Amino acid sequence: AQSVTQLDSQVPVFEEAPVELRCNYSSSVSVYLFWYVQYPNQGLQLLLKYLSGSTLVKGINGFEAEFNKSQTSFHLRKPSVHISDTAEYFCAVSPGSNYKLTFGKGTLLTVNP
Amino acid sequence: DTAVSQTPKYLVTQMGNDKSIKCEQNLGHDTMYWYKQDSKKFLKIMFSYNNKELIINETVPNRFSPKSPDKAHLNLHINSLELGDSAVYFCASSHKPPGLAGGPETQYFGPGTRLLVL
Repeated sequence: AQSVTQLDSQVPVFEEAPVELRCNYSSSVSVYLFWYVQYPNQGLQLLLKYLSGSTLVKGINGFEAEFNKSQTSFHLRKPSVHISDTAEYFCAVSPGSNYKLTFGKGTLLTVNP
Repeated sequence: DTAVSQTPKYLVTQMGNDKSIKCEQNLGHDTMYWYKQDSKKFLKIMFSYNNKELIINETVPNRFSPKSPDKAHLNLHINSLELGDSAVYFCASSHKPPGLAGGPETQYFGPGTRLLVL
């Protein structure tokens, strides 16, 4: 079975600062990786995904993530955050065995002025 | 245009009641899903339908019964509601079932239905 660990439940940062949201996974088979964002009182929106190829994946809103197979990580980064980036961020893994999505418990990013 | 829509947005009801949540997608997708997000924001899949047929059925009490009248709609009926059913229920859809094209499918989520059982 696969699992996803988001190491930080909350990350407060100041506007225009860089941010990294950490995600580690465990799986006995190959995986596909996703980051979703949930703005307050809204549904989940796909930020980016890693399926194959380049390990550095660029997504919407200036976010990027790097797949590191040896460290089983898929950390999300943004060089300069805006107040509008305040939201809950979910990392998810889809194993090559059944392709079901398993989500982490989310990281609340709060961007302060 | 809303791609994946859910009704109602909020639902407050008493324990023991029966209620339904509706989901519709206008993306032309074949596959739809129901997820439950608990009070700690943990999101877990409940069911998935592909072209009106059940393809994923996780360990969910049989008080929960999904119904797909056509591939654009997936409804969730809950009998004898319990306090622990309070959560946000998300509907999602994807072009095809996961794995059909040799990989996962991007899922598009609705805005959620916030259910509170008193």
